[in-house]
Amino acid sequence: EAQVTQNPRYLITVTGKKLTVTCSQNMNHEYMSWYRQDPGLGLRQIYYSMNVEVTDKGDVPEGYKVSRKEKRNFPLILESPSPNQTSLYFCASSTLSSGGHTDTQYFGPGTRLTVL
Amino acid sequence: AQSVTQLGSHVSVSEGALVLLRCNYSSSVPPYLFWYVQYPNQGLQLLLKYTSAATLVKGINGFEAEFKKSETSFHLTKPSAHMSDAAEYFCAVSGRGSNYKLTFGKGTLLTVNP
Repeated sequence: EAQVTQNPRYLITVTGKKLTVTCSQNMNHEYMSWYRQDPGLGLRQIYYSMNVEVTDKGDVPEGYKVSRKEKRNFPLILESPSPNQTSLYFCASSTLSSGGHTDTQYFGPGTRLTVL
Repeated sequence: AQSVTQLGSHVSVSEGALVLLRCNYSSSVPPYLFWYVQYPNQGLQLLLKYTSAATLVKGINGFEAEFKKSETSFHLTKPSAHMSDAAEYFCAVSGRGSNYKLTFGKGTLLTVNP
């Protein structure tokens, strides 16, 4: 089954304790992205990657890191989490179109993070 | 630059009534446009997309949307609402040459009353 998986689904942590949220896709997609969803703000892009070792900042990258060492995996790293990073996080993947715009993105189930 | 405005953060309809969710976009280049749906405690899934072919796009679950370039709109409609349509709906835009950036609107929560 084609899917994007994220782990963990729920996480409660404390300020400053480094954490990693994993994301994996089995569709051989070049493009992967992380979003955070906050009430009234919709989804905002954190980082994205167009291929292995190619990553770039989205709209709200501060406080986050990513890496893309393998095509299928795109972990999100919070080295020193703060309470304002409490949010619902989604990973997504898609193919790349020829025109420079993204095509259908497939989303993971989400990770609900609480930073105390 | 690209942006999306969804008019109405919350829309309430009766079962069987017309559903109309509004989306206006801004893009300096030809856009791809999408509607995604998010059911409670789930991720987002694609309802339909416009990719510069037919301007009237049909999606899953009886939804459709019409791309109107002159109005920069991509409103989502369904003739008859069902209880199972209750969810949050997001409009999104990705412009040609935008470096694959996808920009979402803030979402519209649809409530369906019996």
